[in-house]
Amino acid sequence: GAVVSQHPSWVICKSGTSVKIECRSLDFQATTMFWYRQFPKQSLMLMATSNEGSKATYEQGVEKDKFLINHASLTLSTLTVTSAHPEDSSFYICSARTSGTGSYEQYFGPGTRLTVT
Amino acid sequence: AQSVTQLGSHVSVSEGALVLLRCNYSSSVPPYLFWYVQYPNQGLQLLLKYTSAATLVKGINGFEAEFKKSETSFHLTKPSAHMSDAAEYFCALSTGGGNKLTFGTGTQLKVEL
Repeated sequence: GAVVSQHPSWVICKSGTSVKIECRSLDFQATTMFWYRQFPKQSLMLMATSNEGSKATYEQGVEKDKFLINHASLTLSTLTVTSAHPEDSSFYICSARTSGTGSYEQYFGPGTRLTVT
Repeated sequence: AQSVTQLGSHVSVSEGALVLLRCNYSSSVPPYLFWYVQYPNQGLQLLLKYTSAATLVKGINGFEAEFKKSETSFHLTKPSAHMSDAAEYFCALSTGGGNKLTFGTGTQLKVEL
């Protein structure tokens, strides 16, 4: 149980284009999803927290107009990198959490490797 | 603000030897602590978690960790390393149920024959 998928697993796009990454909870309802960014050989940095049906909360320094997050259903959140540039190349990982007491555990997706050329 | 410090970005052990990965934390409130493992180009898998119950926590794949409040530590151990344990390990902290995670910088574990 508690499986989170991401699509695509890797994507290459040209500078200036937009890319959408999907994060799905396959066997549970995720009231909260988190988006992380990981540079090579570095730790995960939280980009934003999204709750189903409401606007995402972005961490300081993350451009909300560049990284658009939508959490329209209890099983799907999307991250759109708009007008991508080479410096946006990174490994993007989502995680999902259920609601209710004791719901302190996040379940992570396998990640999406984005390369902007 | 809370923080997590992982001492040693790279740890190398022989197969069959003890694995010890260090994690120290700082938090103004009682923390929830986690250890995750990440294999190349993959997401994170939860190894174990401390949520204010037993201080000695047993996880998957033979790993365990002990929460020591006096030392603000949550070190990860495994009695006997296996080649398949080679991966990146992250210690993480949350200050409340469901709150966001703060990650350490990670420790790359290498297991040698």
